[in-house]
Amino acid sequence: DAKTTQPPSMDCAEGRAANLPCNHSTISGNEYVYWYRQIHSQGPQYIIHGLKNNETNEMASLIITEDRKSSTLILPHATLRDTAVYYCIVRVFTGTASKLTFGTGTRLQVTL
Amino acid sequence: NAGVTQTPKFRILKIGQSMTLQCTQDMNHNYMYWYRQDPGMGLKLIYYSVGAGITDKGEVPNGYNVSRSTTEDFPLRLELAAPSQTSVYFCASNEGQGLTLWYGYTFGSGTRLTVV
Repeated sequence: DAKTTQPPSMDCAEGRAANLPCNHSTISGNEYVYWYRQIHSQGPQYIIHGLKNNETNEMASLIITEDRKSSTLILPHATLRDTAVYYCIVRVFTGTASKLTFGTGTRLQVTL
Repeated sequence: NAGVTQTPKFRILKIGQSMTLQCTQDMNHNYMYWYRQDPGMGLKLIYYSVGAGITDKGEVPNGYNVSRSTTEDFPLRLELAAPSQTSVYFCASNEGQGLTLWYGYTFGSGTRLTVV
């Protein structure tokens, strides 16, 4: 199972881009990178996922390095409501089940 | 569109008591999961199910039991509550297709359990 490493906390000024890094040096070729966030003990919320190419949706962008050993989640214009714990997850596939393994994530604090 | 519904939202149990945490989803998802989250920590998988009648252990199954008699429902049973089971419990579901057709999880809002 590929493990991920994230900084425990980051700060970002409101309106600026928040760039959250994630290392996953042991990722295998068929494992996807997923990002979720958890706002104040609510259930985690899916943000974005990718395999090789960079991805963008209405919430964020995901940049994956060419060697796939690291990625960056970008919130282009962070707001106070983006304050949350962000989890970088590499999908574990075992048999017929597909499980997510959550680490401790990065606590992003967006400030005025 | 309710998604994943968990009940109750809060519960206080005494040591040795039993209870069932309810989880229902209306998205016809095959896969369902139970996670627990201790304060300041990430989520740990307790049990999961790939369809009605099929369940399997996750990372931390001891002290818990599950059943999956229907696609919609996936209750989690605590038989003899212990203080170590004080946590927030999240239920989740997804379609769970193969390697490339994988859809994101939908999580419930959680059940905050305290064992005293």
